[in-house]
Amino acid sequence: QQPVQSPQAVILREGEDAVINCSSSKALYSVHWYRQKHGEAPVFLMILLKGGEQKGHEKISASFNEKKQQSSLYLTASQLSYSGTYFCGTARGGYNKLIFGAGTRLAVHP
Amino acid sequence: GAGVSQSPRYKVTKRGQDVALRCDPISGHVSLYWYRQALGQGPEFLTYFNYEAQQDKSGLPNDRFSAERPEGSISTLTIQRTEQRDSAMYRCASSPLGQGLSYEQYFGPGTRLTVT
Repeated sequence: QQPVQSPQAVILREGEDAVINCSSSKALYSVHWYRQKHGEAPVFLMILLKGGEQKGHEKISASFNEKKQQSSLYLTASQLSYSGTYFCGTARGGYNKLIFGAGTRLAVHP
Repeated sequence: GAGVSQSPRYKVTKRGQDVALRCDPISGHVSLYWYRQALGQGPEFLTYFNYEAQQDKSGLPNDRFSAERPEGSISTLTIQRTEQRDSAMYRCASSPLGQGLSYEQYFGPGTRLTVT
């Protein structure tokens, strides 16, 4: 039931864009995105809810295709601070039991 | 304000010993979650609470693992008769509201458990 993330790793130059995908074989209620820097705790980025509502705290956008059980995270004009591992967590019901993907490692270089 | 705190941050124990890992959630947060995270992997769900009630413990690996949150605030994850395969980072997270809604989770710094 673990969602599948792609790509596994991305290397960018500052200012470049990237898309990280998350797909599930099960119907989803919500998709959560987190970023984790080395040696630190995961930090919340965004929630996408069934029905189209989005909640986020940073200038990062995402989409959620309920029919395909897929979500994509869009990182535009990347900054050095975007480096880290991005995890999607999926919830099937209206509560927060999250199943996380294996992560996408993003490295942004000057 | 204060975030989620966990103690101890590092724990080394010998095989067969019991360990208790503590989580102090953000004040007022209703839901509390326990995860285990292997190096280079995403967090793996173990169990979660709304207030003091354990809502789901389907992720606990076996009956050596248990968790409680008796007063709806601090939680303890206990591992009995530890084995080397229990070595991992154990993370706690809390969120503001409970079942029926989907809210962001705030993760603690984790407890790095090493079983020798």
